[in-house]
Amino acid sequence: EAGVAQSPRYKIIEKRQSVAFWCNPISGHATLYWYQQILGQGPKLLIQFQNNGVVDDSQLPKDRFSAERLKGVDSTLKIQPAKLEDSAVYLCASSLSVPEQYFGPGTRLTVT
Amino acid sequence: AQSVTQPDIHITVSEGASLELRCNYSYGATPYLFWYVQSPGQGLQLLLKYFSGDTLVQGIKGFEAEFKRSQSSFNLRKPSVHWSDAAEYFCAVVPPGGSYIPTFGRGTSLIVHP
Repeated sequence: EAGVAQSPRYKIIEKRQSVAFWCNPISGHATLYWYQQILGQGPKLLIQFQNNGVVDDSQLPKDRFSAERLKGVDSTLKIQPAKLEDSAVYLCASSLSVPEQYFGPGTRLTVT
Repeated sequence: AQSVTQPDIHITVSEGASLELRCNYSYGATPYLFWYVQSPGQGLQLLLKYFSGDTLVQGIKGFEAEFKRSQSSFNLRKPSVHWSDAAEYFCAVVPPGGSYIPTFGRGTSLIVHP
């Protein structure tokens, strides 16, 4: 069974630029999560989807972050414009049987 | 809202020694409990989970954890640590029912000396 796929693995951008991350969950997993993990901290949930509907986005900075999950499968997370403090690893996870999650390898974002 | 405390930022052990990583949670009822491991540059891998039943749960790689309701704790243990166990360990809780919104602890970094 293929795991959660994420791309790109690494991204370096300048502040005020925009960036997008892509996630392909495990086939059949209805729930998809995006996390932000700042160096030295645990993952912080940004948004949780159930199929293509949003379950929780209370910690998503909506003035600059957006996420979508069209057709209830793949998902993209966008930051526009990026700030220095957005430098982090962005993790995607999916689950079939909530609440057990399977994580992708993450995208390391550096904002300069 | 639930919270998770991992009081130890770093733990250093010698290879072959036993290990215990602490996790305490704050929530009104018994949540679902998890331990994940993260190696450098990798995503999180599930080590073990507790939903209900036997309070001592076995996981992968020789790890086990014990749920203690009276102490709101879910400590991770391993009788003999291997050098390959050096990694970051995260405890997570998910409230039962509802939307299953997860909360992670800040992590404990395990350093293994030869």
